[in-house]
Amino acid sequence: DAGVIQSPRHEVTEMGQEVTLRCKPISGHNSLFWYRQTMMRGLELLIYFNNNVPIDDSGMPEDRFSAKMPNASFSTLKIQPSEPRDSAVYFCASGIRGAQETQYFGPGTRLLVL
Amino acid sequence: GQSLEQPSEVTAVEGAIVQINCTYQTSGFYGLSWYQQHDGGAPTFLSYNALDGLEETGRFSSFLSRSDSYGYLLLQELQMKDSASYFCAVRDPGGKLIFGQGTELSVKP
Repeated sequence: DAGVIQSPRHEVTEMGQEVTLRCKPISGHNSLFWYRQTMMRGLELLIYFNNNVPIDDSGMPEDRFSAKMPNASFSTLKIQPSEPRDSAVYFCASGIRGAQETQYFGPGTRLLVL
Repeated sequence: GQSLEQPSEVTAVEGAIVQINCTYQTSGFYGLSWYQQHDGGAPTFLSYNALDGLEETGRFSSFLSRSDSYGYLLLQELQMKDSASYFCAVRDPGGKLIFGQGTELSVKP
């Protein structure tokens, strides 16, 4: 299995620009999670989906962040407009509903907003 | 709400045994997981305890005491490649994981 796939791996953008992060979960997994990791705040859950439906988006920082999962094999996390404080590593993880204690993380997208 | 506490860093020598503790406060508890993250890499799943006791997987073991809201990860026969950050995480009733701040383990020769 290819594992969780994320793109891009690195993104450098200017403040105010739109950023779209992409994730392809492991085939057969029906839970998908978006995390953000920074030195100051650690690993934070932003949003998660079960069977393509958003279950908990309480970690989404503000309206500038949005996430979609149009089908079982694709999800996006969008930041519009981006700000320097959004600079972080964004991880996507997938798992099986009912066994979410075991999550498989993608390699992450390293985002730098100038 | 949920909160987890673990030491920020631990240092040990190659071949030794090290224990990383985790205490938690939760409004609902379904289990304690442990993840490893090498510098620049992604977190990878190590172990999960839903019930009290010790779970062993090779050189790594994880322990849980629900009455004490406490768990630990035990790493034996330490190797240089074990240098990494280790996170405990609580699974809440809704199915999401709440991660601790991580313990940075440095293994010295």
